[in-house]
Amino acid sequence: KQEVTQIPAALSVPEGENLVLNCSFTDSAIYNLQWFRQDPGKGLTSLLLIQSSQREQTSGRLNASLDKSSGRSTLYIAASQPGDSATYLCAVTVGNEKLTFGTGTRLTIIP
Amino acid sequence: DAEITQSPRHKITETGRQVTLACHQTWNHNNMFWYRQDLGHGLRLIHYSYGVHDTNKGEVSDGYSVSRSNTEDLPLTLESAASSQTSVYFCASSHPGQGADTQYFGPGTRLTVL
Repeated sequence: KQEVTQIPAALSVPEGENLVLNCSFTDSAIYNLQWFRQDPGKGLTSLLLIQSSQREQTSGRLNASLDKSSGRSTLYIAASQPGDSATYLCAVTVGNEKLTFGTGTRLTIIP
Repeated sequence: DAEITQSPRHKITETGRQVTLACHQTWNHNNMFWYRQDLGHGLRLIHYSYGVHDTNKGEVSDGYSVSRSNTEDLPLTLESAASSQTSVYFCASSHPGQGADTQYFGPGTRLTVL
């Protein structure tokens, strides 16, 4: 059974710093890995999707990497801003297009 | 713009009552999913559908049912609500393609079972 782990569960950093969020998964047989953002009381918004054949994806200040063989992904956020405060979830797509989610990292950017 | 909506956004019910949560998407996606989100567990898959008249059980399907009579809607029914089903429920949809596309999530329904 695929398990996805995100450590730490919560992270606080001062505004302007670069930061890295971590995600690990136990079964490397994935179709893709996605990073989502969830604001309090809201749904999930997809940030980046990395196909299993890719190593990284970038969108603005966000860069996600994927190392399938080691079962790891990182989400790098450059020059953090208070608006980046949210919970970040990673999820892997396994057979039959189902997502398995990690429990998330709650990020707080301190002004 | 295409979207995915859920109703109601908040619901309080009593133990033993039947409850139906609605999910409607206008992307014409074949794939639709229901998740529940609980502290410490993340999002867990309840049921999913790959098209009209197709339904499948997910990781935590006991006590829940779905039916798919058209492409746009996948209602989730709690046959006899239990306090353990107090949670936030999210509906999602995606275009088929072996994970090539992301899933699009609705805003969620917060359900409280007293």
